[in-house]
Amino acid sequence: KAGVTQTPRYLIKTRGQQVTLSCSPISGHRSVSWYQQTPGQGLQFLFEYFSETQRNKGNFPGRFSGRQFSNSRSEMNVSTLELGDSALYLCASTEQGTEAFFGQGTRLTVV
Amino acid sequence: AQSVTQLDSQVPVFEEAPVELRCNYSSSVSVYLFWYVQYPNQGLQLLLKYLSGSTLVESINGFEAEFNKSQTSFHLRKPSVHISDTAEYFCAVIRRKAAGNKLTFGGGTRVLVKP
Repeated sequence: KAGVTQTPRYLIKTRGQQVTLSCSPISGHRSVSWYQQTPGQGLQFLFEYFSETQRNKGNFPGRFSGRQFSNSRSEMNVSTLELGDSALYLCASTEQGTEAFFGQGTRLTVV
Repeated sequence: AQSVTQLDSQVPVFEEAPVELRCNYSSSVSVYLFWYVQYPNQGLQLLLKYLSGSTLVESINGFEAEFNKSQTSFHLRKPSVHISDTAEYFCAVIRRKAAGNKLTFGGGTRVLVKP
């Protein structure tokens, strides 16, 4: 099976812009979670989607949003980018139970 | 809510020496426990997990971790490290039987293996 695919791998955006990141989970996995990784805050949970519905949400402002499509692919969007949004964004997919498989991440740099 | 504390942010170690990475967690409910490894510019890879059964779990590349319920710990050990073990290691927990897959991570421990 192919692994979790995140695109793009790298992004540079300007403050105030918006960005969309994409995640294709492992075939058959219906749960997709997103995490933000920064040197200061570490790994923080953003949200989780399951069967096109948001099932869990972390403590992030409303500028961070996501969605999931019928084929389980997921996108996350960040509007009105701030310098502090610079981070590695990781996507994880889960079939059932507990083992999460991570993609290689999208490194977002806001300038 | 759950929280995870990794007591060492960095651990330098010589090649072929043993290493122990400490992880303690806090939770009012039962949890599953995990260790993930992250190599530079990569995502996270699952190293090993404790779901139930034997409290000592092993990975295929020589790591082991022991779940200690009374001390709420899940320390990771390797008896002899290689240069290729240089990476950042994350301890994580998830609530048992939770509706969802929300992992709570520790702050990570950077392991630098020196020749």
